Amino acid sequence: RKEVEQDPGPFNVPEGATVAFNCTYSNSASQSFFWYRQDCRKEPKLLMSVYSSGNEDGRFTAQLNRASQYISLLIRDSKLSDSATYLCVVKDSWGKLQFGAGTQVVVTP
Amino acid sequence: DADVTQTPRNRITKTGKRIMLECSQTKGHDRMYWYRQDPGLGLRLIYYSFDVKDINKGEISDGYSVSRQAQAKFSLSLESAIPNQTALYFCATSDLRGEQFPNTGELFFGEGSRLTVL
Repeated sequence: RKEVEQDPGPFNVPEGATVAFNCTYSNSASQSFFWYRQDCRKEPKLLMSVYSSGNEDGRFTAQLNRASQYISLLIRDSKLSDSATYLCVVKDSWGKLQFGAGTQVVVTP
Repeated sequence: DADVTQTPRNRITKTGKRIMLECSQTKGHDRMYWYRQDPGLGLRLIYYSFDVKDINKGEISDGYSVSRQAQAKFSLSLESAIPNQTALYFCATSDLRGEQFPNTGELFFGEGSRLTVL
């Protein structure tokens, strides 16, 4: 079983719509959680950290559900430039970062 | 110019050849990493180094070796390349604070080196 699992998608989203997707993790002792964004054939870049109480960064909202061991990312008012693969990253109890395979989002005009 | 630079960006080689991927950074970070990315799989850690004298194996180190020539340079070698080492390779750096403060988990990646082994 993978330590971090994501729906690969693609999630096809009309411009202006809202899209949300989850990531599940297997290690209940995981300490920290992040979303990275990766454009096609480019390097991953940190999008946002995920805090226990949930947090927003502009149109992006991240949530953590420790009881069910998943994190979520919601994108409101989707832009064409939001098209990318979103990587879920979990820091385990040893401080190592575990990456999900990513969820592809395609925003269409 | 990129803060984390990888060379070569693309390389096609044959089975059995020795290949070196180089990484240099101007961020002043102590910690450097090599990952590989394959379709359908998350990034997997090959090796990491917390300073010039510290080298550690990651989850998939077999068939690879590394050298930390300086704080700013970390190279990855494939002594005898095989086709299943065909992948996109990323070098990354992080600040020490990434470990002391759990919510700061930022890695800074290079642009990647696409390696094809025929």
